[in-house]
Amino acid sequence: SQKIEQNSEALNIQEGKTATLTCNYTNYSPAYLQWYRQDPGRGPVFLLLIRENEKEKRKERLKVTFDTTLKQSLFHITASQPADSATYLCAPAGMTTDSWGKLQFGAGTQVVVTP
Amino acid sequence: EPEVTQTPSHQVTQMGQEVILRCVPISNHLYFYWYRQILGQKVEFLVSFYNNEISEKSEIFDDQFSVERPDGSNFTLKIRSTKLEDSAMYFCASRLGATNEKLFFGSGTQLSVL
Repeated sequence: SQKIEQNSEALNIQEGKTATLTCNYTNYSPAYLQWYRQDPGRGPVFLLLIRENEKEKRKERLKVTFDTTLKQSLFHITASQPADSATYLCAPAGMTTDSWGKLQFGAGTQVVVTP
Repeated sequence: EPEVTQTPSHQVTQMGQEVILRCVPISNHLYFYWYRQILGQKVEFLVSFYNNEISEKSEIFDDQFSVERPDGSNFTLKIRSTKLEDSAMYFCASRLGATNEKLFFGSGTQLSVL
């Protein structure tokens, strides 16, 4: 069966450091992978999308890598700030069997940035 | 920036009652979705809707659930005969088109079944 695994333990990090989150998937062949941010009681918000032919994608302080051989994506927040505290969700997507764009999310990793 | 809006933000109902959760997707979007999140658990796909019909549904989306786009702007999720285990946050989402992969989510409706 398809599985998406993200670090279940909260990541506690000091302000200014780099947070690195892992997303591993099995029994997926995604054409791309998306990352979302979710704040408590709110809907997910899109952050980044990386395609299977891209090794790395950046947006401001965020960086995503995608290794289709390892079936893994890494999500980095550099120079982290307390405002980055949230849960981060990954969603491998774009399978040939999926024409309708639905996303299946991992359980998410909570990031807590302390001053 | 355009937003997906959901109403109500909170809904309390008695077990066995019917509820309708309402969503207004972003106006030029073509694909619509409902997701739910039980407290402490992951965001789960329920159903996708395109061209006025269900395009895909999960095993959670059984005969108790239905969706409708009654006019050009609203997108509703009806839950018949609610059960305690239906208590969750329900999110509506929309997507612009086939080549625009990102989903825009609403802020959710917290459904509490007593």
